[in-house]
Amino acid sequence: SQQGEEDPQALSIQEGENATMNCSYKTSINNLQWYRQNSGRGLVHLILIRSNEREKHSGRLRVTLDTSKKSSSLLITASRAADTASYFCATLPKGANSKLTFGKGITLSVRP
Amino acid sequence: DAGVTQSPTHLIKTRGQQVTLRCSPKSGHDTVSWYQQALGQGPQFIFQYYEEEERQRGNFPDRFSGHQFPNYSSELNVNALLLGDSALYLCASSGGLEAGELFFGEGSRLTVL
Repeated sequence: SQQGEEDPQALSIQEGENATMNCSYKTSINNLQWYRQNSGRGLVHLILIRSNEREKHSGRLRVTLDTSKKSSSLLITASRAADTASYFCATLPKGANSKLTFGKGITLSVRP
Repeated sequence: DAGVTQSPTHLIKTRGQQVTLRCSPKSGHDTVSWYQQALGQGPQFIFQYYEEEERQRGNFPDRFSGHQFPNYSSELNVNALLLGDSALYLCASSGGLEAGELFFGEGSRLTVL
């Protein structure tokens, strides 16, 4: 079963625009992570935000977390064609023996 | 510094056969997790190995088994292959059991005919 659900499923934007992707989850979490995957390749970790954090930045990435709404957003500013990829949110639920659970992903296309 | 390496990169099997996939974790990492990713889906957790023991397991049948060696490398074995086992199998390593950042390999693409 998948804990996180990303929205939208697909996003197409022009180079230079900002891309906003959302993730909702169901149970209390220890942390939430975003990963990127180029077609058929392995996943690359982008950013991790802990449950007691509300916002984090890394380069052109900005992640927010609202634990009351059980949701997160990933903002990519000034997008580039090279940002074209699938993006996944992954949640680590609270509790012993929890495992990192991925959503179905968002396909981002950045048009040059 | 070598990252996570997986082999083979691609393989084709027929129904009923058995397959073994291999993974070497990133240098300094002692925990290996395996994920199955079907086309168009997110990765699904299979199991996690730490100190040569299976520590956690996802909703996968016993046909899926694994092993971790003293050098932290790991194998994933799948018996009695089904068509539905066709997927990208991803290995991820981390330092310790707590799921901070995972480092993924490029995956092994399994096709079952």
